[in-house]
Amino acid sequence: RKEVEQDPGPFNVPEGATVAFNCTYSNSASQSFFWYRQDCRKEPKLLMSVYSSGNEDGRFTAQLNRASQYISLLIRDSKLSDSATYLCVGTFSGGYNKLIFGAGTRLAVHP
Amino acid sequence: EPEVTQTPSHQVTQMGQEVILRCVPISNHLYFYWYRQILGQKVEFLVSFYNNEISEKSEIFDDQFSVERPDGSNFTLKIRSTKLEDSAMYFCASSMPGDEQFFGPGTRLTVL
Repeated sequence: RKEVEQDPGPFNVPEGATVAFNCTYSNSASQSFFWYRQDCRKEPKLLMSVYSSGNEDGRFTAQLNRASQYISLLIRDSKLSDSATYLCVGTFSGGYNKLIFGAGTRLAVHP
Repeated sequence: EPEVTQTPSHQVTQMGQEVILRCVPISNHLYFYWYRQILGQKVEFLVSFYNNEISEKSEIFDDQFSVERPDGSNFTLKIRSTKLEDSAMYFCASSMPGDEQFFGPGTRLTVL
């Protein structure tokens, strides 16, 4: 079983839509989780960390459910510039070492 | 804003040749990493480096791979005898302890 699994998409949504991505992980000893964004042929960039209490950053809300080993990302009021691949990422050691990436979910926002 | 830089942006080599990919991490960072991403696949961890030694490595990081911090600014990944399957984007990253990893723009390696 893959350590971090995501629906590859693509998700094609109109501007202004709300879209949700899900991710599951197999290692219950996972320590920390993040959502990264990757544009085509570019490096991954940290979008936000994910906490059990849920956290929000503008139009983005992330949630971690350790009991279900499930992580989510909600994007409200989608913009054209949100088009990218969203990577679910975890660590299995203390701190930020050895990031384990999911394969990513592609989002395409159209006018 | 400080950033991780990588050179070259694209490297083409013949199978069996040695390549060295170069990275300049953010200057005050202490942890350094290499990841790779084969086209169309996920980003995979290769190795982490701290205090002038490898702190962790993956199964991918076999004897053909080595890393070095030859001076106070550069961090290199060497592949001794490249294979076709080494073709990928290689990302360098750096971080402070327990903090966000910042990625460089990557080097695209093409092995012919």
